[in-house]
Amino acid sequence: GDSVTQMEGPVTLSEEAFLTINCTYTATGYPSLFWYVQYPGEGLQLLLKATKADDKGSNKGFEATYRKETTSFHLEKGSVQVSDSAVYFCALRKNTNAGKSTFGDGTTLTVKP
Amino acid sequence: KAGVTQTPRYLIKTRGQQVTLSCSPISGHRSVSWYQQTPGQGLQFLFEYFSETQRNKGNFPGRFSGRQFSNSRSEMNVSTLELGDSALYLCASSLATSGSSYYNEQFFGPGTRLTVL
Repeated sequence: GDSVTQMEGPVTLSEEAFLTINCTYTATGYPSLFWYVQYPGEGLQLLLKATKADDKGSNKGFEATYRKETTSFHLEKGSVQVSDSAVYFCALRKNTNAGKSTFGDGTTLTVKP
Repeated sequence: KAGVTQTPRYLIKTRGQQVTLSCSPISGHRSVSWYQQTPGQGLQFLFEYFSETQRNKGNFPGRFSGRQFSNSRSEMNVSTLELGDSALYLCASSLATSGSSYYNEQFFGPGTRLTVL
């Protein structure tokens, strides 16, 4: 079945450091790919998405590029802030089962001032 | 526009009891999906309802069931609770117009934290 693998965490960075969180997927067909963020005590918020190969999703300084050749969707940010501390989830969805998102295990990011 | 709301936010039950959780989607959204989030298993898909019909189902036992009403509000029910059912239950809604709902963003509610003692 479909699956998403994220780099293991937790990740601890200093403010203004560069962030990369790796995400690879296994799926048949052509899934859409997503990054979600979850703050303590809250639900998931969509951070960015890409719906086809070579698409780049971007939002709030975060970016990720849909790489079909490497089945990857790595999340990057050039300069993290303390407020970016949260859990980040990579996910995929397919139009053959569009109500279902398949999530990675999540990566906890802590940014220290 | 109001977001997805879930009630109650917190629940404590004992083993063997049953529980009903409620989800009100964003106005106009017809698809509601439910997920279970636990530290051990992560986020797992329970089921999706669209226009009062279950459209997709995850790999959970029959103790987990749901329904959707004509106003798109959805409930999920867990019968004969087990300790392992302790989790954060999230619902997500999307426009999901008939046909491909591929690009429709899922909007998540804050979740219901269920504790089974």
